[in-house]
Amino acid sequence: EAGVAQSPRYKIIEKRQSVAFWCNPISGHATLYWYQQILGQGPKLLIQFQNNGVVDDSQLPKDRFSAERLKGVDSTLKIQPAKLEDSAVYLCASSTVLSELFFGEGSRLTVL
Amino acid sequence: GDSVTQMEGPVTLSEEAFLTINCTYTATGYPSLFWYVQYPGEGLQLLLKATKADDKGSNKGFEATYRKETTSFHLEKGSVQVSDSAVYFCALIRRDSGAGSYQLTFGKGTKLSVIP
Repeated sequence: EAGVAQSPRYKIIEKRQSVAFWCNPISGHATLYWYQQILGQGPKLLIQFQNNGVVDDSQLPKDRFSAERLKGVDSTLKIQPAKLEDSAVYLCASSTVLSELFFGEGSRLTVL
Repeated sequence: GDSVTQMEGPVTLSEEAFLTINCTYTATGYPSLFWYVQYPGEGLQLLLKATKADDKGSNKGFEATYRKETTSFHLEKGSVQVSDSAVYFCALIRRDSGAGSYQLTFGKGTKLSVIP
Protein backbone atom coordinates (compact mmCIF):
# COMPACT_ATOMS: atom_id res chain seq x y z
CA GLU A 1 0.00 0.00 0.00
CA ALA A 2 1.38 3.39 -0.96
CA GLY A 3 1.98 5.80 1.89
CA VAL A 4 1.35 9.50 2.20
CA ALA A 5 3.25 11.37 -0.49
CA GLN A 6 4.56 14.89 0.00
CA SER A 7 6.54 17.28 -2.15
CA PRO A 8 8.89 19.01 -2.27
CA ARG A 9 11.07 17.39 0.41
CA TYR A 10 13.13 20.54 0.84
CA LYS A 11 12.56 24.19 0.02
CA ILE A 12 14.67 27.26 0.72
CA ILE A 13 13.14 30.69 0.17
CA GLU A 14 13.70 34.24 1.27
CA LYS A 15 11.32 35.99 3.61
CA ARG A 16 8.29 37.54 1.98
CA GLN A 17 8.39 34.97 -0.83
CA SER A 18 5.66 32.38 -1.26
CA VAL A 19 5.80 28.60 -1.15
CA ALA A 20 3.39 25.72 -1.72
CA PHE A 21 3.46 22.16 -0.46
CA TRP A 22 1.54 19.25 -1.89
CA CYS A 23 0.20 16.14 -0.21
CA ASN A 24 -1.43 13.00 -1.57
CA PRO A 25 -2.97 10.90 1.22
CA ILE A 26 -3.41 7.16 1.38
CA SER A 27 -6.20 6.06 -0.91
CA GLY A 28 -9.54 5.93 0.87
CA HIS A 29 -8.47 8.03 3.85
CA ALA A 30 -11.13 10.66 4.39
CA THR A 31 -9.25 12.74 6.94
CA LEU A 32 -6.18 14.77 6.03
CA TYR A 33 -4.04 16.82 8.38
CA TRP A 34 -1.30 19.41 7.99
CA TYR A 35 1.10 19.78 10.90
CA GLN A 36 3.94 22.21 11.49
CA GLN A 37 6.94 20.82 13.34
CA ILE A 38 9.47 23.38 14.48
CA LEU A 39 12.90 22.01 15.40
CA GLY A 40 12.87 20.58 18.90
CA GLN A 41 9.09 20.66 19.27
CA GLY A 42 6.22 18.30 18.72
CA PRO A 43 3.99 18.65 15.67
CA LYS A 44 1.34 21.34 15.85
CA LEU A 45 -1.90 20.93 13.93
CA LEU A 46 -2.48 23.62 11.33
CA ILE A 47 -5.57 22.32 9.60
CA GLN A 48 -7.70 19.19 9.43
CA PHE A 49 -9.92 18.20 6.53
CA GLN A 50 -12.72 15.66 6.49
CA ASN A 51 -13.14 14.83 2.80
CA ASN A 52 -12.98 18.31 1.25
CA GLY A 53 -14.41 20.19 4.22
CA VAL A 54 -12.41 21.91 6.96
CA VAL A 55 -13.14 20.62 10.46
CA ASP A 56 -10.41 22.45 12.38
CA ASP A 57 -8.24 25.36 11.30
CA SER A 58 -8.10 27.16 14.63
CA GLN A 59 -4.29 27.24 14.70
CA LEU A 60 -3.75 28.18 11.06
CA PRO A 61 -2.32 31.71 10.69
CA LYS A 62 -4.89 32.72 8.14
CA ASP A 63 -3.25 36.00 7.26
CA ARG A 64 -0.45 34.11 5.52
CA PHE A 65 -1.33 30.42 5.40
CA SER A 66 -3.98 28.81 3.25
CA ALA A 67 -4.86 25.23 2.45
CA GLU A 68 -7.28 23.49 0.20
CA ARG A 69 -8.35 19.96 -0.54
CA LEU A 70 -10.21 19.99 -3.77
CA LYS A 71 -12.17 16.86 -4.64
CA GLY A 72 -11.43 15.42 -1.22
CA VAL A 73 -8.16 13.78 -2.22
CA ASP A 74 -4.86 15.63 -2.45
CA SER A 75 -4.17 18.90 -0.72
CA THR A 76 -1.96 21.95 -0.98
CA LEU A 77 -0.68 24.20 1.79
CA LYS A 78 0.50 27.68 0.83
CA ILE A 79 2.42 30.29 2.73
CA GLN A 80 2.40 33.85 1.42
CA PRO A 81 4.36 35.86 2.44
CA ALA A 82 6.77 33.66 4.40
CA LYS A 83 8.39 34.80 7.64
CA LEU A 84 11.59 33.59 9.28
CA GLU A 85 9.57 31.84 11.98
CA ASP A 86 7.86 29.68 9.36
CA SER A 87 11.04 27.62 9.03
CA ALA A 88 9.89 24.15 9.97
CA VAL A 89 8.97 20.74 8.66
CA TYR A 90 5.44 20.59 7.30
CA LEU A 91 3.95 17.17 7.83
CA CYS A 92 0.93 15.80 6.08
CA ALA A 93 -0.99 12.89 7.57
CA SER A 94 -4.11 10.97 6.71
CA SER A 95 -6.42 8.60 8.53
CA THR A 96 -9.73 6.86 8.53
CA VAL A 97 -12.16 7.66 11.33
CA LEU A 98 -10.38 7.54 14.71
CA SER A 99 -7.62 5.34 13.38
CA GLU A 100 -3.93 5.95 13.67
CA LEU A 101 -2.49 8.74 11.60
CA PHE A 102 -0.14 7.87 8.78
CA PHE A 103 2.45 10.54 8.14
CA GLY A 104 4.37 11.52 5.05
CA GLU A 105 8.10 12.21 5.22
CA GLY A 106 7.51 15.93 5.48
CA SER A 107 8.56 19.04 3.60
CA ARG A 108 11.40 20.97 5.21
CA LEU A 109 11.14 24.73 4.73
CA THR A 110 14.00 27.11 5.41
CA VAL A 111 13.20 30.82 5.26
CA LEU A 112 16.25 33.09 4.97
CA GLY B 1 -7.42 22.06 26.48
CA ASP B 2 -5.71 18.73 26.00
CA SER B 3 -2.01 18.43 26.74
CA VAL B 4 0.75 15.83 26.72
CA THR B 5 3.89 16.13 28.84
CA GLN B 6 6.96 14.03 28.15
CA MET B 7 10.23 13.81 29.97
CA GLU B 8 12.79 16.12 28.47
CA GLY B 9 15.71 14.71 26.57
CA PRO B 10 18.06 13.98 25.23
CA VAL B 11 18.36 10.54 26.72
CA THR B 12 21.61 8.68 26.13
CA LEU B 13 21.85 4.98 26.94
CA SER B 14 24.27 2.19 26.31
CA GLU B 15 23.16 -0.72 24.17
CA GLU B 16 21.09 -3.30 26.10
CA ALA B 17 20.15 -0.78 28.81
CA PHE B 18 16.57 -0.45 30.07
CA LEU B 19 14.55 2.45 28.67
CA THR B 20 11.73 4.43 30.25
CA ILE B 21 10.30 7.58 28.70
CA ASN B 22 7.63 9.13 30.88
CA CYS B 23 4.45 10.55 29.42
CA THR B 24 1.46 12.05 31.24
CA TYR B 25 -1.61 13.63 29.74
CA THR B 26 -4.52 15.91 30.45
CA ALA B 27 -7.70 15.44 28.47
CA THR B 28 -11.44 15.37 28.89
CA GLY B 29 -13.31 12.23 28.06
CA TYR B 30 -11.58 9.03 27.05
CA PRO B 31 -8.70 9.58 24.66
CA SER B 32 -6.73 6.97 22.79
CA LEU B 33 -3.00 7.11 23.45
CA PHE B 34 -0.11 6.65 21.04
CA TRP B 35 3.63 6.56 20.83
CA TYR B 36 5.10 7.72 17.54
CA VAL B 37 8.75 7.42 16.54
CA GLN B 38 10.68 9.64 14.15
CA TYR B 39 13.95 8.29 12.80
CA PRO B 40 16.45 10.82 11.41
CA GLY B 41 15.25 12.32 8.15
CA GLU B 42 11.97 10.41 8.17
CA GLY B 43 8.34 11.09 8.98
CA LEU B 44 6.51 9.97 12.09
CA GLN B 45 5.62 6.29 12.38
CA LEU B 46 3.17 4.77 14.80
CA LEU B 47 5.05 2.65 17.33
CA LEU B 48 2.18 1.47 19.52
CA LYS B 49 -1.22 2.49 20.79
CA ALA B 50 -3.81 1.83 23.47
CA THR B 51 -7.44 2.77 23.20
CA LYS B 52 -8.78 2.26 26.73
CA ALA B 53 -7.72 2.12 30.35
CA ASP B 54 -5.40 -0.77 31.30
CA ASP B 55 -4.72 -1.63 27.65
CA LYS B 56 -1.08 -2.41 26.92
CA GLY B 57 0.33 -1.50 23.54
CA SER B 58 3.44 -3.28 22.35
CA ASN B 59 5.63 -3.38 19.26
CA LYS B 60 9.30 -4.12 18.46
CA GLY B 61 10.01 -4.81 22.13
CA PHE B 62 8.49 -1.52 23.29
CA GLU B 63 5.54 -1.47 25.68
CA ALA B 64 3.26 1.12 27.24
CA THR B 65 0.23 0.71 29.50
CA TYR B 66 -2.72 3.13 29.56
CA ARG B 67 -3.05 4.14 33.22
CA LYS B 68 -6.15 6.22 33.74
CA GLU B 69 -5.65 6.63 37.49
CA THR B 70 -2.28 8.29 36.97
CA THR B 71 -3.07 9.69 33.47
CA SER B 72 0.13 8.16 32.20
CA PHE B 73 1.39 6.16 29.22
CA HIS B 74 5.07 5.54 29.89
CA LEU B 75 7.15 3.91 27.17
CA GLU B 76 9.49 1.06 28.17
CA LYS B 77 11.91 -1.31 26.51
CA GLY B 78 13.97 -3.89 28.31
CA SER B 79 17.07 -3.81 26.09
CA VAL B 80 17.64 -0.96 23.66
CA GLN B 81 19.64 -1.22 20.46
CA VAL B 82 21.58 1.36 18.48
CA SER B 83 18.84 1.19 15.84
CA ASP B 84 16.34 2.54 18.41
CA SER B 85 18.02 5.93 18.29
CA ALA B 86 15.24 8.33 17.29
CA VAL B 87 12.83 10.93 18.64
CA TYR B 88 9.80 9.50 20.45
CA PHE B 89 6.51 11.38 20.66
CA CYS B 90 3.66 10.63 23.02
CA ALA B 91 0.26 11.65 21.67
CA LEU B 92 -3.44 11.42 22.40
CA ILE B 93 -6.45 11.52 20.16
CA ARG B 94 -9.88 12.46 21.39
CA ARG B 95 -13.17 12.96 19.68
CA ASP B 96 -14.47 16.49 20.08
CA SER B 97 -18.21 15.88 19.93
CA GLY B 98 -18.92 19.59 19.78
CA ALA B 99 -16.75 20.22 16.73
CA GLY B 100 -17.40 16.80 15.27
CA SER B 101 -13.68 16.27 14.79
CA TYR B 102 -10.82 14.28 16.26
CA GLN B 103 -8.22 16.20 18.20
CA LEU B 104 -4.66 14.84 18.13
CA THR B 105 -2.22 16.38 20.58
CA PHE B 106 1.50 15.63 20.64
CA GLY B 107 4.11 15.96 23.34
CA LYS B 108 7.33 17.79 22.53
CA GLY B 109 9.28 14.63 21.86
CA THR B 110 12.18 12.90 23.59
CA LYS B 111 15.38 12.27 21.68
CA LEU B 112 16.99 8.91 22.42
CA SER B 113 20.58 8.13 21.52
CA VAL B 114 21.85 4.59 22.04
CA ILE B 115 25.62 4.11 22.00
CA PRO B 116 27.37 0.78 21.36
